Amino acid sequence: AQSVTQLGSHVSVSEGALVLLRCNYSSSVPPYLFWYVQYPNQGLQLLLKYTSAATLVKGINGFEAEFKKSETSFHLTKPSAHMSDAAEYFCAVSAPRGANQGGKLIFGQGTELSVKP
Amino acid sequence: DAGVIQSPRHEVTEMGQEVTLRCKPISGHDYLFWYRQTMMRGLELLIYFNNNVPIDDSGMPEDRFSAKMPNASFSTLKIQPSEPRDSAVYFCASSPGTGEPDTGELFFGEGSRLTVL
Repeated sequence: AQSVTQLGSHVSVSEGALVLLRCNYSSSVPPYLFWYVQYPNQGLQLLLKYTSAATLVKGINGFEAEFKKSETSFHLTKPSAHMSDAAEYFCAVSAPRGANQGGKLIFGQGTELSVKP
Repeated sequence: DAGVIQSPRHEVTEMGQEVTLRCKPISGHDYLFWYRQTMMRGLELLIYFNNNVPIDDSGMPEDRFSAKMPNASFSTLKIQPSEPRDSAVYFCASSPGTGEPDTGELFFGEGSRLTVL
Protein backbone atom coordinates (compact mmCIF):
# COMPACT_ATOMS: atom_id res chain seq x y z
CA ALA A 1 0.00 0.00 0.00
CA GLN A 2 1.07 3.57 -0.60
CA SER A 3 0.78 6.69 1.53
CA VAL A 4 2.00 10.26 1.51
CA THR A 5 2.74 12.71 4.30
CA GLN A 6 3.19 16.40 3.65
CA LEU A 7 4.93 18.18 6.48
CA GLY A 8 3.36 21.52 7.22
CA SER A 9 -0.13 22.48 6.15
CA HIS A 10 0.91 26.11 5.72
CA VAL A 11 4.22 27.55 4.55
CA SER A 12 4.92 31.24 4.25
CA VAL A 13 7.91 32.72 2.43
CA SER A 14 8.96 36.14 1.26
CA GLU A 15 9.08 36.97 -2.41
CA GLY A 16 12.49 35.96 -3.75
CA ALA A 17 13.15 33.45 -0.98
CA LEU A 18 13.64 29.72 -1.37
CA VAL A 19 10.52 27.59 -1.44
CA LEU A 20 10.74 24.15 0.19
CA LEU A 21 7.66 21.96 0.52
CA ARG A 22 8.21 18.60 2.15
CA CYS A 23 6.77 15.26 1.14
CA ASN A 24 7.53 11.80 2.47
CA TYR A 25 6.04 8.69 1.01
CA SER A 26 5.56 5.05 1.85
CA SER A 27 5.35 2.40 -0.84
CA SER A 28 5.84 -1.34 -0.98
CA VAL A 29 6.98 -1.13 -4.61
CA PRO A 30 9.05 1.42 -6.52
CA PRO A 31 6.75 4.41 -6.63
CA TYR A 32 5.73 7.03 -9.08
CA LEU A 33 5.59 10.45 -7.42
CA PHE A 34 3.83 13.64 -8.35
CA TRP A 35 3.42 17.24 -7.32
CA TYR A 36 0.21 19.00 -8.27
CA VAL A 37 -0.67 22.67 -7.77
CA GLN A 38 -4.13 24.09 -7.17
CA TYR A 39 -4.80 27.79 -7.62
CA PRO A 40 -7.94 29.26 -6.01
CA ASN A 41 -11.17 28.05 -7.57
CA GLN A 42 -9.36 25.83 -10.02
CA GLY A 43 -8.63 22.15 -10.46
CA LEU A 44 -5.31 20.47 -9.78
CA GLN A 45 -2.64 20.67 -12.45
CA LEU A 46 0.54 18.68 -12.71
CA LEU A 47 3.76 20.44 -11.71
CA LEU A 48 6.12 17.52 -12.19
CA LYS A 49 6.39 13.76 -11.83
CA TYR A 50 9.01 11.14 -11.02
CA THR A 51 8.96 7.95 -13.03
CA SER A 52 12.39 6.51 -12.15
CA ALA A 53 14.11 8.01 -15.20
CA ALA A 54 16.04 10.61 -13.19
CA THR A 55 16.08 11.42 -9.48
CA LEU A 56 16.03 15.20 -10.03
CA VAL A 57 12.87 16.20 -11.80
CA LYS A 58 12.25 19.62 -13.26
CA GLY A 59 8.72 20.91 -13.66
CA ILE A 60 6.85 23.97 -14.76
CA ASN A 61 7.27 27.46 -13.34
CA GLY A 62 10.82 26.82 -12.11
CA PHE A 63 9.94 24.09 -9.63
CA GLU A 64 11.93 20.93 -9.17
CA ALA A 65 11.91 17.92 -6.87
CA GLU A 66 14.44 15.31 -5.93
CA PHE A 67 13.61 11.67 -5.30
CA LYS A 68 15.62 10.32 -2.36
CA LYS A 69 14.96 6.64 -1.84
CA SER A 70 17.03 6.42 1.34
CA GLU A 71 14.94 9.16 2.94
CA THR A 72 11.65 8.19 1.23
CA SER A 73 11.27 11.84 0.33
CA PHE A 74 10.24 13.88 -2.67
CA HIS A 75 10.54 17.49 -1.56
CA LEU A 76 9.55 20.33 -3.87
CA THR A 77 11.80 23.36 -4.24
CA LYS A 78 12.02 26.62 -6.11
CA PRO A 79 15.03 28.92 -5.71
CA SER A 80 13.09 32.18 -5.73
CA ALA A 81 9.43 32.54 -4.82
CA HIS A 82 7.11 34.71 -6.87
CA MET A 83 3.81 36.12 -5.75
CA SER A 84 2.08 34.03 -8.40
CA ASP A 85 3.32 30.84 -6.65
CA ALA A 86 0.78 31.32 -3.87
CA ALA A 87 -1.42 28.23 -4.10
CA GLU A 88 -2.01 24.84 -2.55
CA TYR A 89 0.41 22.07 -3.41
CA PHE A 90 -0.31 18.37 -3.27
CA CYS A 91 2.15 15.50 -3.27
CA ALA A 92 0.88 12.17 -4.56
CA VAL A 93 2.17 8.62 -4.96
CA SER A 94 1.11 5.78 -7.20
CA ALA A 95 2.29 2.29 -8.01
CA PRO A 96 2.40 0.41 -11.31
CA ARG A 97 -1.05 -0.79 -12.30
CA GLY A 98 -0.29 -4.44 -11.70
CA ALA A 99 0.65 -3.78 -8.08
CA ASN A 100 -1.70 -3.69 -5.12
CA GLN A 101 -3.66 -0.42 -5.33
CA GLY A 102 -1.70 0.27 -8.50
CA GLY A 103 -2.66 2.98 -10.94
CA LYS A 104 -4.42 4.99 -8.26
CA LEU A 105 -2.95 8.25 -7.00
CA ILE A 106 -2.84 8.67 -3.25
CA PHE A 107 -2.71 12.33 -2.26
CA GLY A 108 -1.24 14.08 0.73
CA GLN A 109 -3.25 16.59 2.72
CA GLY A 110 -1.80 19.55 0.86
CA THR A 111 0.42 22.48 1.79
CA GLU A 112 -0.79 26.01 1.34
CA LEU A 113 2.00 28.30 0.21
CA SER A 114 1.77 32.01 0.97
CA VAL A 115 4.20 34.50 -0.56
CA LYS A 116 4.73 37.80 1.20
CA PRO A 117 5.80 40.88 -0.74
CA ASP B 1 -7.23 19.16 -26.98
CA ALA B 2 -10.04 19.91 -24.58
CA GLY B 3 -9.41 18.98 -20.99
CA VAL B 4 -11.80 17.37 -18.55
CA ILE B 5 -15.07 19.25 -18.60
CA GLN B 6 -17.33 19.43 -15.59
CA SER B 7 -20.74 20.98 -15.12
CA PRO B 8 -22.17 22.82 -13.38
CA ARG B 9 -19.28 24.86 -11.97
CA HIS B 10 -21.45 26.04 -9.10
CA GLU B 11 -24.62 24.58 -7.66
CA VAL B 12 -26.63 25.86 -4.74
CA THR B 13 -29.50 23.70 -3.63
CA GLU B 14 -31.66 23.02 -0.62
CA MET B 15 -31.43 20.04 1.65
CA GLY B 16 -33.36 17.09 0.31
CA GLN B 17 -33.01 18.00 -3.35
CA GLU B 18 -31.37 15.79 -5.93
CA VAL B 19 -28.03 16.95 -7.31
CA THR B 20 -26.44 15.70 -10.51
CA LEU B 21 -22.86 16.55 -11.41
CA ARG B 22 -21.55 15.84 -14.88
CA CYS B 23 -18.17 15.05 -16.35
CA LYS B 24 -16.72 14.62 -19.82
CA PRO B 25 -13.27 13.02 -19.65
CA ILE B 26 -10.45 13.58 -22.09
CA SER B 27 -11.07 11.61 -25.26
CA GLY B 28 -9.16 8.34 -25.28
CA HIS B 29 -8.65 8.17 -21.54
CA ASP B 30 -9.64 4.80 -20.11
CA TYR B 31 -9.96 5.77 -16.45
CA LEU B 32 -12.29 8.25 -14.78
CA PHE B 33 -12.19 9.29 -11.14
CA TRP B 34 -14.50 11.29 -8.90
CA TYR B 35 -12.97 13.14 -5.94
CA ARG B 36 -14.45 15.31 -3.22
CA GLN B 37 -12.50 18.14 -1.61
CA THR B 38 -13.32 19.76 1.73
CA MET B 39 -11.30 21.78 4.20
CA MET B 40 -11.71 19.15 6.87
CA ARG B 41 -11.00 16.00 4.89
CA GLY B 42 -8.89 17.20 1.97
CA LEU B 43 -9.12 15.23 -1.29
CA GLU B 44 -11.13 12.04 -1.03
CA LEU B 45 -11.44 9.49 -3.80
CA LEU B 46 -15.09 8.55 -4.14
CA ILE B 47 -15.14 6.12 -7.07
CA TYR B 48 -13.28 5.29 -10.23
CA PHE B 49 -14.11 3.61 -13.53
CA ASN B 50 -12.08 1.70 -16.07
CA ASN B 51 -13.57 1.46 -19.56
CA ASN B 52 -16.90 2.64 -18.15
CA VAL B 53 -17.00 -0.08 -15.47
CA PRO B 54 -16.90 0.92 -11.77
CA ILE B 55 -13.78 -0.60 -10.24
CA ASP B 56 -13.68 0.78 -6.71
CA ASP B 57 -16.55 2.60 -5.01
CA SER B 58 -15.33 2.12 -1.47
CA GLY B 59 -14.99 5.88 -1.04
CA MET B 60 -18.63 6.64 -1.72
CA PRO B 61 -19.87 7.97 1.60
CA GLU B 62 -23.29 6.33 1.67
CA ASP B 63 -26.19 5.13 -0.42
CA ARG B 64 -27.29 8.67 -1.16
CA PHE B 65 -24.35 8.86 -3.56
CA SER B 66 -24.32 7.09 -6.90
CA ALA B 67 -22.17 7.35 -10.01
CA LYS B 68 -22.61 6.11 -13.54
CA MET B 69 -20.62 6.07 -16.71
CA PRO B 70 -22.95 5.11 -19.56
CA ASN B 71 -20.29 5.66 -22.21
CA ALA B 72 -16.66 6.62 -22.62
CA SER B 73 -17.38 10.31 -22.86
CA PHE B 74 -19.78 10.94 -20.01
CA SER B 75 -20.15 10.30 -16.30
CA THR B 76 -22.51 11.53 -13.61
CA LEU B 77 -22.32 11.73 -9.85
CA LYS B 78 -25.71 11.93 -8.20
CA ILE B 79 -26.63 12.81 -4.62
CA GLN B 80 -30.18 12.07 -3.55
CA PRO B 81 -31.27 13.41 -1.15
CA SER B 82 -28.61 16.05 -0.59
CA GLU B 83 -27.58 17.22 2.88
CA PRO B 84 -25.63 20.27 4.08
CA ARG B 85 -22.62 18.06 4.91
CA ASP B 86 -22.35 17.21 1.21
CA SER B 87 -21.21 20.78 0.54
CA ALA B 88 -17.81 20.48 -1.10
CA VAL B 89 -15.98 20.81 -4.38
CA TYR B 90 -16.34 17.70 -6.51
CA PHE B 91 -13.61 16.97 -9.03
CA CYS B 92 -13.62 14.66 -11.96
CA ALA B 93 -10.29 13.45 -13.32
CA SER B 94 -9.30 11.15 -16.14
CA SER B 95 -6.20 9.08 -16.81
CA PRO B 96 -4.94 7.60 -20.08
CA GLY B 97 -4.31 4.07 -18.82
CA THR B 98 -1.49 3.81 -21.34
CA GLY B 99 2.01 5.10 -21.72
CA GLU B 100 5.42 3.83 -20.87
CA PRO B 101 5.35 3.81 -17.98
CA ASP B 102 1.68 4.02 -17.15
CA THR B 103 1.98 6.13 -14.01
CA GLY B 104 -1.69 6.76 -13.36
CA GLU B 105 -1.20 10.49 -13.91
CA LEU B 106 -4.48 12.35 -13.48
CA PHE B 107 -5.90 15.21 -15.51
CA PHE B 108 -8.40 17.19 -13.46
CA GLY B 109 -11.44 19.22 -14.36
CA GLU B 110 -12.12 22.63 -12.83
CA GLY B 111 -14.51 21.16 -10.27
CA SER B 112 -18.14 21.62 -9.30
CA ARG B 113 -18.67 23.62 -6.13
CA LEU B 114 -21.78 22.34 -4.35
CA THR B 115 -23.52 24.22 -1.56
CA VAL B 116 -26.43 22.53 0.16
CA LEU B 117 -28.47 24.87 2.34
